[in-house]
Amino acid sequence: NAGVTQTPKFRVLKTGQSMTLLCAQDMNHEYMYWYRQDPGMGLRLIHYSVGEGTTAKGEVPDGYNVSRLKKQNFLLGLESAAPSQTSVYFCASSRTGLETQYFGPGTRLLVL
Amino acid sequence: AQSVSQHNHHVILSEAASLELGCNYSYGGTVNLFWYVQYPGQHLQLLLKYFSGDPLVKGIKGFEAEFIKSKFSFNLRKPSVQWSDTAEYFCAVNAPLSGNTPLVFGKGTRLSVIA
Repeated sequence: NAGVTQTPKFRVLKTGQSMTLLCAQDMNHEYMYWYRQDPGMGLRLIHYSVGEGTTAKGEVPDGYNVSRLKKQNFLLGLESAAPSQTSVYFCASSRTGLETQYFGPGTRLLVL
Repeated sequence: AQSVSQHNHHVILSEAASLELGCNYSYGGTVNLFWYVQYPGQHLQLLLKYFSGDPLVKGIKGFEAEFIKSKFSFNLRKPSVQWSDTAEYFCAVNAPLSGNTPLVFGKGTRLSVIA
């Protein structure tokens, strides 16, 4: 039982490049989330999903897209990376929207 | 919109000192409350949570938190901290009667415990 896993762990991009971050969970959770963590800002919700095939915007969705084609996976895409997207990205999942969220180990992204 | 305030950005304590980290939230209805901890280089883990019942909640590693509805607060406490408690602590809240509202996190409090 791996819990929540994230791929990759670390990535360096040039401005304008695109990439996809993958989150996978093996707990059969309905809800999945993408956050970004920046110093002094805490965790800010980018997008979330309440079930397979659904997505919703969070607090800071601009510049990101997501897809939830399979229940266990939640993908975060950056179509044209900007230096402002340099951050640590955490994925989380929960059984329902009100219960404990379980977090992945994070992806550190540097955009030059 | 809900908001969560953690008033202390960085707290420095000596080992064996007592800890209290403040958390206040803005929502006036029924809330679920959480404290998460992030040890250096690691992901967030749940420390404790409050959904209903006894407002004094005990979590892992000797932590506890008290929900005071009249003060919109959910402060985290530990009677005697250890060096291994050095971490960042996040308070979070959601509102179960307001639909599928995601968790709202505070900005976090960094705790440094020195010998």
